[in-house]
Amino acid sequence: DTGVSQNPRHKITKRGQNVTFRCDPISEHNRLYWYRQTLGQGPEFLTYFQNEAQLEKSRLLSDRFSAERPKGSFSTLEIQRTEQGDSAMYLCASSLELTGPQETQYFGPGTRLLVL
Amino acid sequence: AQSVTQLGSHVSVSEGALVLLRCNYSSSVPPYLFWYVQYPNQGLQLLLKYTSAATLVKGINGFEAEFKKSETSFHLTKPSAHMSDAAEYFCAVSDMNDYKLSFGAGTTVTVRA
Repeated sequence: DTGVSQNPRHKITKRGQNVTFRCDPISEHNRLYWYRQTLGQGPEFLTYFQNEAQLEKSRLLSDRFSAERPKGSFSTLEIQRTEQGDSAMYLCASSLELTGPQETQYFGPGTRLLVL
Repeated sequence: AQSVTQLGSHVSVSEGALVLLRCNYSSSVPPYLFWYVQYPNQGLQLLLKYTSAATLVKGINGFEAEFKKSETSFHLTKPSAHMSDAAEYFCAVSDMNDYKLSFGAGTTVTVRA
């Protein structure tokens, strides 16, 4: 078990460009979450999946954001037409659905995005 | 909707002194409560969680927290701070109806030699 991995770890892009981040959860975990963390703040929920189904999206997730989890394995988060306000750390977490929301979410190291 | 408030964005303690980080929650249904730690340029690591069993929860690295329903609190303590405890700490809440975590703004702990 190597934990949750995220790639890339850092991304610098120009405003208006598209970016895509990848998250590989712990192998047997069927729930996958995306959070965004800005400087000096706690993580904010963006969206989550159970297997390949996207079950909830935050109002923070504008139509420029899209997330997928094909085949219920890895997930991608794409941001189109990036804006400077998108600069943040994007965190992925996974959990195993056994007893419900009390299950521990295991976090990856995050992808730090800087939009110039 | 549930939320948490962490009192104090920065806490400075001497090595060997008590660490006390405060967290108050708001939830319309019985909550699940979590404390996570984040070291620089790393993801979040779970310290401990409350899931409606024992109200005094023991976690890793000598930390513990007590769930007090009457005070809607879940404060984190460690009797004796170590230099390696310097990090940012986040309190988070979810409930039986909601899988997403709602985090507080975090408390940065510095440890003085």
